Amino acid sequence: NAGVMQNPRHLVRRRGQEARLRCSPMKGHSHVYWYRQLPEEGLKFMVYLQKENIIDESGMPKERFSAEFPKEGPSILRIQQVVRGDSAAYFCASSPPGTGANNSPLHFGNGTRLTVT
Amino acid sequence: SQQGEEDPQALSIQEGENATMNCSYKTSINNLQWYRQNSGRGLVHLILIRSNEREKHSGRLRVTLDTSKKSSSLLITASRAADTASYFCATATVGNTPLVFGKGTRLSVIA
Repeated sequence: NAGVMQNPRHLVRRRGQEARLRCSPMKGHSHVYWYRQLPEEGLKFMVYLQKENIIDESGMPKERFSAEFPKEGPSILRIQQVVRGDSAAYFCASSPPGTGANNSPLHFGNGTRLTVT
Repeated sequence: SQQGEEDPQALSIQEGENATMNCSYKTSINNLQWYRQNSGRGLVHLILIRSNEREKHSGRLRVTLDTSKKSSSLLITASRAADTASYFCATATVGNTPLVFGKGTRLSVIA
């Protein structure tokens, strides 16, 4: 499967635990975007990364949330000390090198549904 | 901030009918994109229309863009039950800013 791969598909965490969400972009893609979706809502931008660089994190909460896209391996969205309000679907998207954040289509994974109990 | 707003929020039609969804936005754009999302899945890109284009077609899909009214429409002709999904518009403003998505239109096509 050459598409964007996210895992796990479903993640349950108790309040105060850490959540780690992984995203492998499409083969050949070097730009990764994380979005959050609440029920019946659209997607809210969180962060835009290229390999080893955070390009735009304007949508990321200042505390408890971090993201990385290392030279090797998947992109990781990390949420520390989760709270019930973090429950949502988290989507990763990718685009090829040479494209900007908005001038070509994004390819999305099927998301990770985080439930905080 | 919410840039694109889809209208209607929900639409229910019979198979074979046409479905029209609208998107309005507030600021100048570089391009506007439409995506489909099936329940429990990720978004799938449908069409990208640039600010200097007025209309684009892809199979049964037709997208129009009116930059003077800051609005776009997505028309699905001869709808099928498999078209049942949520449809989102996403706007791209000038510069390297990320896509901003609307809240979507939930389309139900009844067989």
